[in-house]
Amino acid sequence: NAGVMQNPRHLVRRRGQEARLRCSPMKGHSHVYWYRQLPEEGLKFMVYLQKENIIDESGMPKERFSAEFPKEGPSILRIQQVVRGDSAAYFCASSPGQDEKLFFGSGTQLSVL
Amino acid sequence: KQEVTQIPAALSVPEGENLVLNCSFTDSAIYNLQWFRQDPGKGLTSLLLIQSSQREQTSGRLNASLDKSSGRSTLYIAASQPGDSATYLCAVIKAAGNKLTFGGGTRVLVKP
Repeated sequence: NAGVMQNPRHLVRRRGQEARLRCSPMKGHSHVYWYRQLPEEGLKFMVYLQKENIIDESGMPKERFSAEFPKEGPSILRIQQVVRGDSAAYFCASSPGQDEKLFFGSGTQLSVL
Repeated sequence: KQEVTQIPAALSVPEGENLVLNCSFTDSAIYNLQWFRQDPGKGLTSLLLIQSSQREQTSGRLNASLDKSSGRSTLYIAASQPGDSATYLCAVIKAAGNKLTFGGGTRVLVKP
């Protein structure tokens, strides 16, 4: 059973471009969470999704950020018109149920030039 | 608003010594608490999960205690090894839904 797969591992974008981060949860997991780790800061919750539904997006910036978890395929975190302050490590986690242990991916390191 | 603090921020010990990592949280109304390990450039590995009704959990050389009333958890690692060098993160969940609030972590170095 493969773990949580995130790609790409590293993503470089210029200011104003779009960034798409992908996350494939563990097999059998229907709950996906995105967290962001800014330089010198702790991990912060962004969004919680269950197949085709956004359950909690209270940690997501109101503009430029969106997330989806379609019926088929990976979860996507999309950042439009990236700015330097978006540079961070973005981690995805999945769980089989709402209150069960989380399993994290290796993260995507986004660098905005 | 829940705040999670981990002290110390960094710790260096010789191999074989026991490690004691502290985590405190401001709101004692938690659902559960998890300890994670993060290696440089990698994701998080879940070590132990303690439900709010439990006082401790053990796995091998690791033991985590939870005192909800005082807002504290302690992670003990017995007989440390160089391979234990990593950042250890504590996280709490206030309610069902797995929205974790993380502490800043303790960076551990075990010297051979």
